Amino acid sequence: RKEVEQDPGPFNVPEGATVAFNCTYSNSASQSFFWYRQDCRKEPKLLMSVYSSGNEDGRFTAQLNRASQYISLLIRDSKLSDSATYLCVVKGTGGFKTIFGAGTRLFVKA
Amino acid sequence: NAGVTQTPKFQVLKTGQSMTLQCAQDMNHEYMSWYRQDPGMGLRLIHYSVGAGITDQGEVPNGYNVSRSTTEDFPLRLLSAAPSQTSVYFCASSYGTGGNLGNTEAFFGQGTRLTVV
Repeated sequence: RKEVEQDPGPFNVPEGATVAFNCTYSNSASQSFFWYRQDCRKEPKLLMSVYSSGNEDGRFTAQLNRASQYISLLIRDSKLSDSATYLCVVKGTGGFKTIFGAGTRLFVKA
Repeated sequence: NAGVTQTPKFQVLKTGQSMTLQCAQDMNHEYMSWYRQDPGMGLRLIHYSVGAGITDQGEVPNGYNVSRSTTEDFPLRLLSAAPSQTSVYFCASSYGTGGNLGNTEAFFGQGTRLTVV
């Protein structure tokens, strides 16, 4: 079983739609969680951290469920520019070992 | 402020050749790491370093060596290239170490697309 698993998609949604991605992790000792965005043939960049109480950044909402060991990302009012791959990232004990999910591909169409 | 700089951007090697992928950061980050990205596999950790003089293996270290003689530089060496090492390689750096998980955003270089024939 992979340490971090994501639905690879692709998710094809119209502009204005709400879309949600889930990510599950296997190591219950995982300490911190992030969502990264990667555009085609580019390097990953931090989208947002995920806090235990859930957090929001504009149209993006991230949530963590430690009991079920998953994190989620909700995108509201999708824009064409949201088309990208979204990577779930989990940091292990001590903060050194960082595991990336394989990513979920999102296409937003006009 | 350049961030993380990787060179070269593209490289074609013949099987058995050796080469070094360069990575430098100017943010005084303690933590640096190398990943490879293959279709459907996500980013897999090759080696990482928590500071000058300290390196450790990640998930897929075989066939790769690293060293960290300075805080700024973290080169990745392929000793004898194999077709299975065809991939996109990313170097990343971040500030957080140990128990400090607050500011641990990882900054990536632009990647090196390596093809081994």
